[in-house]
Amino acid sequence: DAGITQSPRYKITETGRQVTLMCHQTWSHSYMFWYRQDLGHGLRLIYYSAAADITDKGEVPDGYVVSRSKTENFPLTLESATRSQTSVYFCATTSGRGTQYFGPGTRLTVT
Amino acid sequence: AQSVTQLGSHVSVSEGALVLLRCNYSSSVPPYLFWYVQYPNQGLQLLLKYTTGATLVKGINGFEAEFKKSETSFHLTKPSAHMSDAAEYFCAVSGEAGSYQLTFGKGTKLSVIP
Repeated sequence: DAGITQSPRYKITETGRQVTLMCHQTWSHSYMFWYRQDLGHGLRLIYYSAAADITDKGEVPDGYVVSRSKTENFPLTLESATRSQTSVYFCATTSGRGTQYFGPGTRLTVT
Repeated sequence: AQSVTQLGSHVSVSEGALVLLRCNYSSSVPPYLFWYVQYPNQGLQLLLKYTTGATLVKGINGFEAEFKKSETSFHLTKPSAHMSDAAEYFCAVSGEAGSYQLTFGKGTKLSVIP
C-alpha cells in the first residue's frame, strides 16, 4: 500500500516552461493539498481540494494551476515557471479535521 | 485566522540532554495541534497530535507535548536526546471545523551534539 506518492522526485526546468507535478493517493481521502517549502518560510499552502472537481486557493496560489478530475489524483501545474518557484513541493491528504499525510516531495529547480 | 510561532529556528542540544521545542499558536476556535518531524530529503511525518481530552500527549520516539490553553502553547519535549532525533520539527494548528487546513510554523531545526 503506497499511500501517497509524488512524481517526479526531482525536476530541473527552464524559465518559461510548463511543468506538472503529480500527486497520487490510494486512500480515497477527500481532501488533498499542495504546499511549497522554502527556507525561512516553513510550509505554505498553494492550493487545496475538498473533493473531485472542487479546488480552492491557499496562501500562495499565483503562478500555479490545479485540477482534480479523480479523487486519487491532484496534479499541480506551473504554467510558465519562474526562478522564484524553485522549491520543494509537498502533496498531502486528509480524511477530516485531523492528521495530514504527506508525500515524499518533489524538488523543483527552475534555471 | 490561525497562526503558529516556533521560537528558535535552530536548537542544539547534547546527546542525553532534554529537548524542548517551543510552539505558541493563535486560533479562534478550539485548536487541533500537531507536531511533525522531517528528516533530510523526506516528507513530513506525524510525531503527535492533540485534539481533545488529555492535555499531555505522547508521541513516537519518546516525544511528548502538553497543550496549555491559558498560555496558548504546545511545546514539544523529550527527556533525553538521541543522535537520531536530529531533524526539522514543525508545529501546526488545524483550521476551523470544515476547512481541514493546517497552518504551520516555520520550523525548528534540531541538532544533537555527541
